[in-house]
Amino acid sequence: KAGVTQTPRYLIKTRGQQVTLSCSPISGHRSVSWYQQTPGQGLQFLFEYFSETQRNKGNFPGRFSGRQFSNSRSEMNVSTLELGDSALYLCASRPAGVSYEQYFGPGTRLTVT
Amino acid sequence: AQSVSQHNHHVILSEAASLELGCNYSYGGTVNLFWYVQYPGQHLQLLLKYFSGDPLVKGIKGFEAEFIKSKFSFNLRKPSVQWSDTAEYFCAGRSGNTGKLIFGQGTTLQVKP
Repeated sequence: KAGVTQTPRYLIKTRGQQVTLSCSPISGHRSVSWYQQTPGQGLQFLFEYFSETQRNKGNFPGRFSGRQFSNSRSEMNVSTLELGDSALYLCASRPAGVSYEQYFGPGTRLTVT
Repeated sequence: AQSVSQHNHHVILSEAASLELGCNYSYGGTVNLFWYVQYPGQHLQLLLKYFSGDPLVKGIKGFEAEFIKSKFSFNLRKPSVQWSDTAEYFCAGRSGNTGKLIFGQGTTLQVKP
């Protein structure tokens, strides 16, 4: 099976712009989660989607949003970018059921200048 | 888990040395714990997981971890490290009955040949 894929892999944006990141989960996985990874804060949970519904949301401002489509693909959007949004954004998928192990994609490296 | 902490932030070992990385979690209902590894330039990979049953869990690449409920610990061990084990290691716990993972700050392991 192909792993979790994320596009684009690298992105450079300017403060005030918005950005959309995309994630395609492993085939058959219906749950997708997003995490932000920075050197200072480590890995922090953004949100989780299951069957197009947001199940959980982390402690991030409303500028961070996401959605999931009927084919389980997910997007996250960050509006009005700030310098502090520079990070590696990771997407993870997991199969339905009691197994909560998550499979991570390679991430999108976002740099805000 | 409501919080996860890793004691060691940077560990340097020589090849063939034994490894133990500490991880503590706070009680948060059902205990599901994981160790992930991130090799340089690669994505997060699951090393091992604990859900229930035998508290000694074996994972890939010769790693194992022991869940000690009384100490709220889930330490990662390997009897003899190799240069290729150089990576960042993350302990994580599932938050409540959600798919949200709470990560420790990570431990950078450097193995000298």
